[in-house]
Amino acid sequence: AQSVTQLGSHVSVSEGALVLLRCNYSSSVPPYLFWYVQYPNQGLQLLLKYTSAATLVKGINGFEAEFKKSETSFHLTKPSAHMSDAAEYFCAVSGYSGGGADGLTFGKGTHLIIQP
Amino acid sequence: NAGVTQTPKFQVLKTGQSMTLQCAQDMNHNSMYWYRQDPGMGLRLIYYSASEGTTDKGEVPNGYNVSRLNKREFSLRLESAAPSQTSVYFCASNILGGERLEFMNTEAFFGQGTRLTVV
Repeated sequence: AQSVTQLGSHVSVSEGALVLLRCNYSSSVPPYLFWYVQYPNQGLQLLLKYTSAATLVKGINGFEAEFKKSETSFHLTKPSAHMSDAAEYFCAVSGYSGGGADGLTFGKGTHLIIQP
Repeated sequence: NAGVTQTPKFQVLKTGQSMTLQCAQDMNHNSMYWYRQDPGMGLRLIYYSASEGTTDKGEVPNGYNVSRLNKREFSLRLESAAPSQTSVYFCASNILGGERLEFMNTEAFFGQGTRLTVV
């Protein structure tokens, strides 16, 4: 079974500073990894996904994530934070248990706070 | 393009009442999912349907039932609501279906959520 750990339930950065949101995963099969963002009172939307084509993945709104198999990590970064980046961020892994797709397993989420 | 549509958006129930949350997708996706979101818990899978005609339990199925009415629709039923079921419920769909591993890297699309309060 797969699992995801997000370090830090809340991360606070200043506007213009580097954003780093951490995600570690465990999976018994080659992982398919995703980052989703949730703005207040909305559903989740995809930021980016790892598809094995490249270890550095670029997403929307200037975010990117690097897949590191040796560290079982898929951390999300953005060079310069903007006030509009304030949201909840979820890392997720797609599972397969041999009996069919198990859907996405989510981390507990990281609330990103941007200080002016 | 409507994507995934959930109804209702908000609902207040009394303990013991029943209700059905509706979900429909217009993307011809094979798999559909129901998640609940609670503070500090992330999203937890309640039930899913890998293809039309099949349903399976997820991580937290107790107190819920589901019906995959057709390829478009996947409903979640609370037979006797309890305060512990107060949560935000999300429906999602994915083109992924059954054992189609080549779709494993496809993303899920989410509805806007249903905020349910059980008093």
